[in-house]
Formats: sequence, structure tokens, C-alpha cells
Amino acid sequence: QQPVQSPQAVILREGEDAVINCSSSKALYSVHWYRQKHGEAPVFLMILLKGGEQKGHEKISASFNEKKQQSSLYLTASQLSYSGTYFCGTEGGSNSGYALNFGKGTSLLVTP
Amino acid sequence: DGGITQSPKYLFRKEGQNVTLSCEQNLNHDAMYWYRQDPGQGLRLIYYSQIVNDFQKGDIAEGYSVSREKKESFPLTVTSAQKNPTAFYLCASSFLGGGQPQHFGDGTRLSIL
Repeated sequence: QQPVQSPQAVILREGEDAVINCSSSKALYSVHWYRQKHGEAPVFLMILLKGGEQKGHEKISASFNEKKQQSSLYLTASQLSYSGTYFCGTEGGSNSGYALNFGKGTSLLVTP
Repeated sequence: DGGITQSPKYLFRKEGQNVTLSCEQNLNHDAMYWYRQDPGQGLRLIYYSQIVNDFQKGDIAEGYSVSREKKESFPLTVTSAQKNPTAFYLCASSFLGGGQPQHFGDGTRLSIL
């Protein structure tokens, strides 16, 4: 039931773009995206809901394909501060109390 | 400022000992969650609670217990039955319902002595 993230790791130069993917085998109510710096708490980035509504970060975009149960996070013109581990969390709806299943994470390193 | 506070930041457990991790929030959130994080494994759900005096098991609840006597507090006890407790434990909270972002505490790192 854990969503699958890809790639596992990516290294970018400052200013380059990256895409992180998240796919699930279950029907999804929403997909959440978080970023975690080493030893710190995850920080909320964005939520994508069924029906196309998005809530979150202005400088980061994402997509949610409900039929394919997939989401992608787009990081454009990357900055050094984008480095960290990105997690997607999938929400199955009221039957699971809206609790999240998180992927194993994608480690992103942005270099000067 | 509102937030979610976990304590202690570091905790050591002896064999056969129960330890309790504290989680307090003043965000007026109804839902609270406990996650365990191991290297390369992402976050795995231990328990969650949507209302006072009610809580549900997550994917890895064995060896753990919780209580929710107050809306603001959701302590996690790691019992001696949990044979591999060394991990980073994260508490989170959110408003009820779907599509609500979860706010995380700074975590507690638990190690075995």
C-alpha cells in the first residue's frame, strides 16, 4: 500500500529542473508532498485533491492523474535550498481516517 | 505562535523498559498522528486519533500504545514488546477531513542502551 516514488535520488546543478513521481496501487482521495531536511521535521509543500484542486507552494507545481493514481512534483530553476528528501503521502479517504501512506522518499541534492 | 512540540529530542531505552514520547499541539487540530522513520524507509504510521478518547492502529502498531485524554496531547509509549525501537519518531496533527496538511513536530530520536 506504500506509494512508489521515483527516482530514489537525483543530483542537480543550480538552475536545473527535476521531476519526482509518485504512484499508488489504490484509489486516491488526495496526494500530499513534503520536504525534509536531514534531522528535521518534514515541511508541507502541496496537496492535490481529486477534481483538480491544489493547495500549497507558489514556486512548486505538481500534477495528479486520478485515473492512473499518479502524481508528479515539478521543481523548476532549482535553488540550493531545494536540497532535501521529498516524500509523497497518499490519502485513501474516510475509510482510513484520512491518514497518509508515505513513499520511501526521493533524495534531491542541488549543487552550485 | 501555534505549533506542535515533541519531547524529549533524544531518548535512550534500556532492555525491558517502557518509554513515553510526548506530543503536544496548540493548533486546535482534532487529528493527531505518530510516525516512525527509519533510514531509507520513509514514514510509517503507528497510530492516529481523530477525537479525544479514540484512536486507531496504523500499519506498525505492534509494541506501541497511545492515549488521547486531551485534544492537545497524544503521547506514545514504546513498550518492551517493541524489539527494534531505535528510530526517529515524528508526531503530526491536522484538521479533520480530507485534504488537510499535516504539521509535524521536530521529532524524538530513540536509541537502545
